[in-house]
Amino acid sequence: EVQLVQSGAEVKKPGESLKISCQGSGYSFAGYWIGWVRQMPGKGLESIGVIYPGDSDTRYSPSFQGQVTISVDKSINTAYLQWSSLKASDTAMYYCARHPGGTGIWFDPWGQGTLVTVSS
Amino acid sequence: EIVMTQSPATLSVSPGERATLSCRASQSVSSKLAWYQQKPGQAPRLLIYGASTRATGVPGRFSGSGSGTEFTLTISSLQSEDFAVYYCQQYHNWPPLTFGGGTKVEMK
Repeated sequence: EVQLVQSGAEVKKPGESLKISCQGSGYSFAGYWIGWVRQMPGKGLESIGVIYPGDSDTRYSPSFQGQVTISVDKSINTAYLQWSSLKASDTAMYYCARHPGGTGIWFDPWGQGTLVTVSS
Repeated sequence: EIVMTQSPATLSVSPGERATLSCRASQSVSSKLAWYQQKPGQAPRLLIYGASTRATGVPGRFSGSGSGTEFTLTISSLQSEDFAVYYCQQYHNWPPLTFGGGTKVEMK
């Protein structure tokens, strides 16, 4: 069974750094794109970016470029999303998801989500 | 950036009735459109990709249609477990991948 398991909820202060993770299992991790999606409280879905673990090719949505960093460690089947300096507006649920193959990027399955709360 | 617009924002339907959800793209996305279902407190779940191909395990009452800029998700006979928020997503021109704002299907 293909599964993505994300790290647990985080509570941070503005200006702090953070790295959350997404571990894949049940498939060849290096061969499938992984994406990150933000969902702010009570709002819809926003794509942050995607990474191909095989060669770390990374594509960011323009509104997130320079705000976050997506990376991967394929030796442990894990993708990461990190911030160097959090803002209160980064408070959201963050999902990772796998692209199952084919032309273009859609997502299946999704991780369970990591809730990030940034508050002073 | 391709903007995806979903309508209506909320759809009130009785169990057993048909639900028709719309998604419009600001420019053609060919058939590169996916639909997701999200229930409260849960991650989204893929329903449809390629505008009309059901994902593995998705019941036959869910169907997708359309191409270009106009798409429809139809739930032929609503079950209690179908009350949720539904999102469309284009993958024709990315980054960015873009989602619609969602349609909430609620019980009438």
